[in-house]
Amino acid sequence: EDQVTQSPEALRLQEGESSSLNCSYTVSGLRGLFWYRQDPGKGPEFLFTLYSAGEEKEKERLKATLTKKESFLHITAPKPEDSATYLCAVPKRGGSQGNLIFGKGTKLSVKP
Amino acid sequence: DAGVIQSPRHEVTEMGQEVTLRCKPISGHNSLFWYRQTMMRGLELLIYFNNNVPIDDSGMPEDRFSAKMPNASFSTLKIQPSEPRDSAVYFCASGAGGGETQYFGPGTRLLVL
Repeated sequence: EDQVTQSPEALRLQEGESSSLNCSYTVSGLRGLFWYRQDPGKGPEFLFTLYSAGEEKEKERLKATLTKKESFLHITAPKPEDSATYLCAVPKRGGSQGNLIFGKGTKLSVKP
Repeated sequence: DAGVIQSPRHEVTEMGQEVTLRCKPISGHNSLFWYRQTMMRGLELLIYFNNNVPIDDSGMPEDRFSAKMPNASFSTLKIQPSEPRDSAVYFCASGAGGGETQYFGPGTRLLVL
């Protein structure tokens, strides 16, 4: 069964304390891995798409990387406004490109 | 440019009642998705439309759920009859092309008593 597992479930950081979030998947023949950010009471907001092992993408303090079995979202010198739940997703094997399987997310809290 | 619009934002209803959720996708997008989010199960795809045609409804939990997309600018998700276990946040998302990048609406928080 296709699975997307994110760790840790929750992460508390001090402002400026860099760390990484993990997303591992079991889908074979990966057709992309997506990262989203979700603020409380809002819908997920698209961050990145990665397609091949070794690919990296950056946005402000965030950098996403991809290997054959997992992806990392690195957060460098985070600020309180980076606090949110970060979700990753992959297309379901055999499904349409839009049929995404989401992980449960990592809830990030950044304290000033 | 307006994003995905959903209504209502909150809905409280009693078990057995019909619930209709509405979505207006981003203009020009040809893919539309309905999701359900709960603490237990996370974010789950219910149904996916492309060019107003349902492509994948394997996530629709049972016959009580139905979705329509009569035109490119409007979709509905209906639950009839509703049950307490349907309580969740329902999101609509839209995308261009094959829906690789999906843009989510603010969601409808549904509580079935």
